[in-house]
Amino acid sequence: DTEVTQTPKHLVMGMTNKKSLKCEQHMGHRAMYWYKQKAKKPPELMFVYSYEKLSINESVPSRFSPECPNSSLLNLHLHALQPEDSALYLCASSQVRNRGNTEAFFGQGTRLTVV
Amino acid sequence: TQLLEQSPQFLSIQEGENLTVYCNSSSVFSSLQWYRQEPGEGPVLLVTVVTGGEVKKLKRLTFQFGDARKDSSLHITAAQPGDTGLYLCAGADGGSQGNLIFGKGTKLSVKP
Repeated sequence: DTEVTQTPKHLVMGMTNKKSLKCEQHMGHRAMYWYKQKAKKPPELMFVYSYEKLSINESVPSRFSPECPNSSLLNLHLHALQPEDSALYLCASSQVRNRGNTEAFFGQGTRLTVV
Repeated sequence: TQLLEQSPQFLSIQEGENLTVYCNSSSVFSSLQWYRQEPGEGPVLLVTVVTGGEVKKLKRLTFQFGDARKDSSLHITAAQPGDTGLYLCAGADGGSQGNLIFGKGTKLSVKP
């Protein structure tokens, strides 16, 4: 099973709403990631969790709040977003290795529209 | 800052033609992945190359990692309309978190 499952697939939210994106994997990967992808651009790293601890925050605004409840789940809590936050949000997971091969497997993404 | 330069940015060809996509950097990567992404979907991993000089084949796709592990290429033989998509290369910087640095992608269109 090399599947990363993201829900929901589509989300429309107002600027005052609070919503959450969910990600799940059962590959035993201990590194999980959130990426943001705008149209016609490559994915941009937002957060990295390693062994359920936040290891990288790429200067993401506080209106995005990640959470890793356990080794299989990753959430992204959204609050007071702006229209420019509309994008495809991708979750990925990989094994944690000190060096060498890092194969990341991506979910199908959540298409987020902020109105 | 590590950067991956991917070229060409766009490629439109006829079915049956061959093509090569390049991914270059001045930095050394511990591994490099190639992904294909359809609109509105997540990237799908095609291959990972780890050893300098390594060549991997996936049906009509041939992937090569440069000897110095700074560049890679993807060659498609006899392209088919089903090969249409965005091809992304991504390099791992070797840190324990395995951060991926993405190229800007090559949008391939194969016309029947």
